[in-house]
Amino acid sequence: DAKTTQPPSMDCAEGRAANLPCNHSTISGNEYVYWYRQIHSQGPQYIIHGLKNNETNEMASLIITEDRKSSTLILPHATLRDTAVYYCIVRVAPRVGNNRKLIWGLGTSLAVNP
Amino acid sequence: DTEVTQTPKHLVMGMTNKKSLKCEQHMGHRAMYWYKQKAKKPPELMFVYSYEKLSINESVPSRFSPECPNSSLLNLHLHALQPEDSALYLCASSQSLQGFISNQPQHFGDGTRLSIL
Repeated sequence: DAKTTQPPSMDCAEGRAANLPCNHSTISGNEYVYWYRQIHSQGPQYIIHGLKNNETNEMASLIITEDRKSSTLILPHATLRDTAVYYCIVRVAPRVGNNRKLIWGLGTSLAVNP
Repeated sequence: DTEVTQTPKHLVMGMTNKKSLKCEQHMGHRAMYWYKQKAKKPPELMFVYSYEKLSINESVPSRFSPECPNSSLLNLHLHALQPEDSALYLCASSQSLQGFISNQPQHFGDGTRLSIL
């Protein structure tokens, strides 16, 4: 199964861009990369996902390298409310059946400082 | 505000007790999930229901018994738990199972924090 590697923690100044890296060097061609975040005392929240192309939504941008071995989640203007644990996740195909499941990384604890 | 509601928010129980965790969603989602999360770890998948039928059991001990009475509700029945079962239990839902075509994200509740004495 593909696995992800993330730095355990990062800091970012409020108003600046937060760039969160993720390595997934063993990812297969049909496996998606997902990002979720978990704010303290809350459940995980979906942010964005992608396969090959860069993606952008109202929350963030996802940049995937051409070889798909790594990706970066970008929060363009971080606020204090973006302080959370950010999980880089690969959706993998099972050995049997058709139901994909999410393989979660250990997460990056992002602290946005005033 | 989360669209997936879990009750209770906190639960303390002894090892001989029987209790249930409840999860409810009204988004019309047909896939529902139970996860277990230990402190400073990512969530671990326990069970997946699709159209009210158990689709995935990640080799969870039988002291955890899931139930999906209808498309909006998901229960987790607990009996004879061990202290190592203390954790945050998260429920999630998605429009359908994340199959070959589907990429729908999962929507999570805020969890039930369970403590076993």
